[in-house]
Amino acid sequence: NAGVTQTPKFRVLKTGQSMTLLCAQDMNHEYMYWYRQDPGMGLRLIHYSVGEGTTAKGEVPDGYNVSRLKKQNFLLGLESAAPSQTSVYFCASRVGWFTGNQPQHFGDGTRLSIL
Amino acid sequence: AQTVTQSQPEMSVQEAETVTLSCTYDTSESDYYLFWYKQPPSRQMILVIRQEAYKQQNATENRFSVNFQKAAKSFSLKISDSQLGDAAMYFCAHRGSGTYKYIFGTGTRLKVLA
Repeated sequence: NAGVTQTPKFRVLKTGQSMTLLCAQDMNHEYMYWYRQDPGMGLRLIHYSVGEGTTAKGEVPDGYNVSRLKKQNFLLGLESAAPSQTSVYFCASRVGWFTGNQPQHFGDGTRLSIL
Repeated sequence: AQTVTQSQPEMSVQEAETVTLSCTYDTSESDYYLFWYKQPPSRQMILVIRQEAYKQQNATENRFSVNFQKAAKSFSLKISDSQLGDAAMYFCAHRGSGTYKYIFGTGTRLKVLA
């Protein structure tokens, strides 16, 4: 059971380059999330999706775009990478609405460095 | 706005001893859910324990238990018989029943001394 898989696990970019982080879940979860984790700041929500074809902004959405064309995949894009986007990125998923105490299931994270 | 505060950036505990990690939160909702996650050096986020606000009984999972004080908006995690494998970052998280979003604290790094 793979759970939540993030690709790639590590990447180095130059300022101004673009890239896409892929999150795939095999648990048929409705909700998916992208977070960034920075030292001393915990996890901050970038974007999230409550179903196929839907996306919404989180706490720190600037500089990122997302798409959820298929239920199992949630893509996070950086159109023009900046050093401030150096971080560890986590994807998470969760079952649907009427399951209040269900936790999020996390991927193993992607360490992204912008030079 | 909902907030989650972990006031202890770092804690240490001797192996086999008990340690308590603090978490306070602010919310205007009466129904919500609270979670503790563990993040070892491997970077995985692992659910430790969860608590529903409507339940008065404190949740327990083996050596892990919580002290949930709804009126004080406090949700502390107690780890009994600490083991070397408990060394990790611990994050407290809150989700209101009327929202999709989880709010995380800044984390507490737990060191376990042999």
